[in-house]
Amino acid sequence: GAVVSQHPSWVICKSGTSVKIECRSLDFQATTMFWYRQFPKQSLMLMATSNEGSKATYEQGVEKDKFLINHASLTLSTLTVTSAHPEDSSFYICSARGTSGSYEQYFGPGTRLTVT
Amino acid sequence: GESVGLHLPTLSVQEGDNSIINCAYSNSASDYFIWYKQESGKGPQFIIDIRSNMDKRQGQRVTVLLNKTVKHLSLQIAATQPGDSAVYFCAESVGGYSTLTFGKGTMLLVSP
Repeated sequence: GAVVSQHPSWVICKSGTSVKIECRSLDFQATTMFWYRQFPKQSLMLMATSNEGSKATYEQGVEKDKFLINHASLTLSTLTVTSAHPEDSSFYICSARGTSGSYEQYFGPGTRLTVT
Repeated sequence: GESVGLHLPTLSVQEGDNSIINCAYSNSASDYFIWYKQESGKGPQFIIDIRSNMDKRQGQRVTVLLNKTVKHLSLQIAATQPGDSAVYFCAESVGGYSTLTFGKGTMLLVSP
C-alpha cells in the first residue's frame, strides 16, 4: 500500500516551453502533497506544500509564477514548470501524506526534466 | 573508509561489515527524524524513523540513534549487503506534520 506515482518519469523539452508533471497517490487519499527538487549529488530541496483544494505554500526563493502547483483532488497534484530554461533541469520528486494521521510522507519515483 | 566528495560524502565498506552513517541536524526544535535510502534515479525510500522522546529505535538490520544534546543522528546497518549501496539521507521535522528538511546525504558503497 501507500504507492505514489509520477508521470512522466522523464521529459525533455525545449527552452521556453512549459511542462506538466503529475503526482498521484494510487491507493490512498492524500490531503497534503509536497514537491521537491534535487540536483545531481545534492539533497532534496522542498519547493512547495500543497493541500487539496487550497493554494500551495511555496518555500522562500521558489517562484510561484514559474512553478505552478495544482492539487485539485485527494489523489492528484500537478507541477507545471512554465517557460522552462536549462537551469530548471533537475529531478523533481513529489511526496504525499495520507489522511490516516500518520506522519509519514510517501515518495514518488521522481521525474527527470531536461531542458535543451 | 570515509571521504568527502565535492557534494556528497562517501562511506565505503566491505560486504558483511556494519555501517554507521552520521547526520548532524540543524534545528534544536526538531522532534521527528527519518532516515531515507535513495537509489540512483529513484525517489527516497523510508527506512526508519524516531521521535525525540526516544534515544534508540531498531528495525530489521537497522538501528537509529538520536543524541539531542549534540543534535546528532546516526543510522547503523548490520551485515551490510551490496544491495544497501545507495545514498542515505536524514530528514528532520518540527512536529511530524510539518515539512521535512533533508540533510546533505551520504553515499554508501558496499563492495563484495
